[in-house]
Amino acid sequence: QQQVKQSPQSLIVQKGGISIINCAYENTAFDYFPWYQQFPGKGPALLIAIRPDVSEKKEGRFTISFNKSAKQFSLHIMDSQPGDSATYFCAASASGTYKYIFGTGTRLKVLA
Amino acid sequence: GAVVSQHPSWVICKSGTSVKIECRSLDFQATTMFWYRQFPKQSLMLMATSNEGSKATYEQGVEKDKFLINHASLTLSTLTVTSAHPEDSSFYICSALGTTGELFFGEGSRLTVL
Repeated sequence: QQQVKQSPQSLIVQKGGISIINCAYENTAFDYFPWYQQFPGKGPALLIAIRPDVSEKKEGRFTISFNKSAKQFSLHIMDSQPGDSATYFCAASASGTYKYIFGTGTRLKVLA
Repeated sequence: GAVVSQHPSWVICKSGTSVKIECRSLDFQATTMFWYRQFPKQSLMLMATSNEGSKATYEQGVEKDKFLINHASLTLSTLTVTSAHPEDSSFYICSALGTTGELFFGEGSRLTVL
């Protein structure tokens, strides 16, 4: 019940295309869902996050869609660029615990 | 976003020696910090939760005598890998909990034990 399932494991997208990464969770106590971007040899960097009171959040080319009833959330990268090539992790946490549960990661490659 | 500094970024040591990795929150005070271990092409594995002024809480399967964690101030947590062996070689990443519940990560430390 503590797992966060992430898919796909890897993704190849043409420059200018839309990259979509999906995550699903089971623990209904989770109320914070961030996405992290990690480049090789670097620590993860917070990209965008959402709470269950909204169904969508957009920041620049990055959008989180959240479906509370389905217990799923996804990251959309619009107009994908080669510089977006990285590993993306979704995560979930519950208020009061602050222990983040991470997805398994998606390696995104954007072709020039 | 908040800045978390981790040092050293990479370290090579001989088997049997101890290595200390520092994690500092530069522009905010962090009551809680976390230490992760990451194997190549894998997700982050939580090792322990570090709370300022108290003992760290270790995840199941993590040897607390092998991985010593100290959180002596609101801006500094340290991880010491004691009597390191080649199987301890890994990428260690710290994170600090921000005032609004966000998690900010350090740049990671690559440990290679010969």
